[in-house]
Amino acid sequence: ETGVTQTPRHLVMGMTNKKSLKCEQHLGHNAMYWYKQSAKKPLELMFVYSLEERVENNSVPSRFSPECPNSSHLFLHLHTLQPEDSALYLCASSQVLGPREQYFGPGTRLTVT
Amino acid sequence: AQSVTQPDIHITVSEGASLELRCNYSYGATPYLFWYVQSPGQGLQLLLKYFSGDTLVQGIKGFEAEFKRSQSSFNLRKPSVHWSDAAEYFCAVGASGTYKYIFGTGTRLKVLA
Repeated sequence: ETGVTQTPRHLVMGMTNKKSLKCEQHLGHNAMYWYKQSAKKPLELMFVYSLEERVENNSVPSRFSPECPNSSHLFLHLHTLQPEDSALYLCASSQVLGPREQYFGPGTRLTVT
Repeated sequence: AQSVTQPDIHITVSEGASLELRCNYSYGATPYLFWYVQSPGQGLQLLLKYFSGDTLVQGIKGFEAEFKRSQSSFNLRKPSVHWSDAAEYFCAVGASGTYKYIFGTGTRLKVLA
């Protein structure tokens, strides 16, 4: 595998379910990001990790819980989501934290029913 | 307030025609500027970036962009569009000392055969 991978690519979940999104980067980068992409809105930065430490929690509801066990893996744990949480969730990484180019995964298309 | 504006939500061009996508920003610090492209069902891919130096930057897939400080613009250009260029294009701005980007809302490009 190369670049940034995300699984699953598609997820349908009910409002009472618990699920997790996984992201893995094969680039040796030190910073990882979660973004939410909704139709007709700019990308929303959700969480940022640098060397496995969370440096940003951008007023995200607690029903989203990130986890970064090492610099290559990033998870987003989901529970009791709302229909408005349906979106494309993108993971990205950069070599270091800062205004560097970010490398994005293909995203997980989440639908909350 | 910091902002990025992509004035054109949709643009349609014929294959072989030239293309210019507009990006205007409002940013207090010296900007770091990026253009990304997103094909359907995919994540964002970096086309080019500007940090400093020559204000005309070359990117992948034959794209270029010009930074004009006086106009607060960073427009993306391509002399001859190919059908495979049909995608959504995002302008993003960052700054030294911060890891956050501000993304524009995107311009969706349609290419007519």
